[in-house]
Amino acid sequence: EIVLTQSPATLSLSPGDRATLSCRASQSVLSNFLAWYQQKPGQTPRLLIYGASTRVAGIPDRFSGSGSGTDFTLTIGRVEPEDFAVYYCHQYGSASPWAFGQGTKVEIK
Amino acid sequence: QVHLVESGGGLVKPGGSLRLSCAASGFAFRDYYMTWIRQAPGKGLEWVSYIGGNGVTRFHADSVEGRFSISRDNGKNSLYLQMDNLRPEDTAIYYCVRDQARLGVAGLAHWGQGTRVTVSS
Repeated sequence: EIVLTQSPATLSLSPGDRATLSCRASQSVLSNFLAWYQQKPGQTPRLLIYGASTRVAGIPDRFSGSGSGTDFTLTIGRVEPEDFAVYYCHQYGSASPWAFGQGTKVEIK
Repeated sequence: QVHLVESGGGLVKPGGSLRLSCAASGFAFRDYYMTWIRQAPGKGLEWVSYIGGNGVTRFHADSVEGRFSISRDNGKNSLYLQMDNLRPEDTAIYYCVRDQARLGVAGLAHWGQGTRVTVSS
């Protein structure tokens, strides 16, 4: 199974700051099948990005995904108060095991 | 509107069994990959199992391989997770989740509210 390692574990930011979250895979992610989710306390996760860089309809354009192979990044252009949450990366595919990263918490500085 | 409702969770002793169910509605169930994801208290997301629309493609995480089995009944629009030989570390909320893509995989867009499983003596 692929292992996904997210960094940093916690990101302390002020509203308006730029957030850069990293997700590194132990082996290459086929077809860039890499997704990002946001989870707030008491809520189920929300899909933000799939295919490494495609934003889901309705997700603000301050969220962007990039990367390929083993290194992926979620960027929040200017963090809004509602963006403070935990973010997870997820490797998926149609004929192989899946994996989640351990999460990055974006907290208010 | 996509609707996923899990049931079957509860308190069970180590070594025991449970069968989780997920009732799906609002979409063509047979056309979608379905997944079980779990989240232990205060912890991150963990993929458990997924199954293709026709039930042939199935994968389980190493942590549950040989103990858990995913299945589906497309005639009943239902997803199942048979959990045997349960361990304390299986304690979590279990979510039934639907992929966003019809006839493929492209990220987990629709989540049920979850059912709680507690494994304790």
